[in-house]
Amino acid sequence: AQSVTQPDIHITVSEGASLELRCNYSYGATPYLFWYVQSPGQGLQLLLKYFSGDTLVQGIKGFEAEFKRSQSSFNLRKPSVHWSDAAEYFCAVGRGATNKLIFGTGTLLAVQP
Amino acid sequence: SQTIHQWPATLVQPVGSPLSLECTVEGTSNPNLYWYRQAAGRGLQLLFYSVGIGQISSEVPQNLSASRPQDRQFILSSKKLLLSDSGFYLCAWREGQPNQPQHFGDGTRLSIL
Repeated sequence: AQSVTQPDIHITVSEGASLELRCNYSYGATPYLFWYVQSPGQGLQLLLKYFSGDTLVQGIKGFEAEFKRSQSSFNLRKPSVHWSDAAEYFCAVGRGATNKLIFGTGTLLAVQP
Repeated sequence: SQTIHQWPATLVQPVGSPLSLECTVEGTSNPNLYWYRQAAGRGLQLLFYSVGIGQISSEVPQNLSASRPQDRQFILSSKKLLLSDSGFYLCAWREGQPNQPQHFGDGTRLSIL
């Protein structure tokens, strides 16, 4: 069965430090991969997506992610974190013609001043 | 541009009362529509999705139902709410092509007393 794993439930980084959020997926075919961000009490905002082609994708707010097929991973990175990046981050994999998404359980990011 | 609206933003209902949450999308035609529930500390659970008017697929057996009376309107309902129906409900839409991401509304916080 398809699944998405975000092994880090909670991460704290200092403002200005680099960030990497991990995501591993289990999927039989080439997946559609997404990262979303959710601020408290809000909906999810799309950060970036991967369908095919260049395995390093750029997103909004200075985020990027790299698809590594050999590791079944799609890790999210940012070179310098801002306090406004504090939020919950969800990795998701799409499947089927209806693009039903399977979400990971999320990683809550806290940013220290 | 496309927009998605959910209302109400918050709702407090007694056990056993009915429920109706509404979601509308503007600026697109024949979108795929989705209802998710997000419980505290957990990821998103897909409840229903729809690929067209009157076409509803249920992902998990539960106390809720969904309807799509118009192309860009998606309604989540219940005849009698349970305590376990509490949560954050999110509506999402997607263009018809499989490789397009889902876009989320701002959600409804439902508390059952």
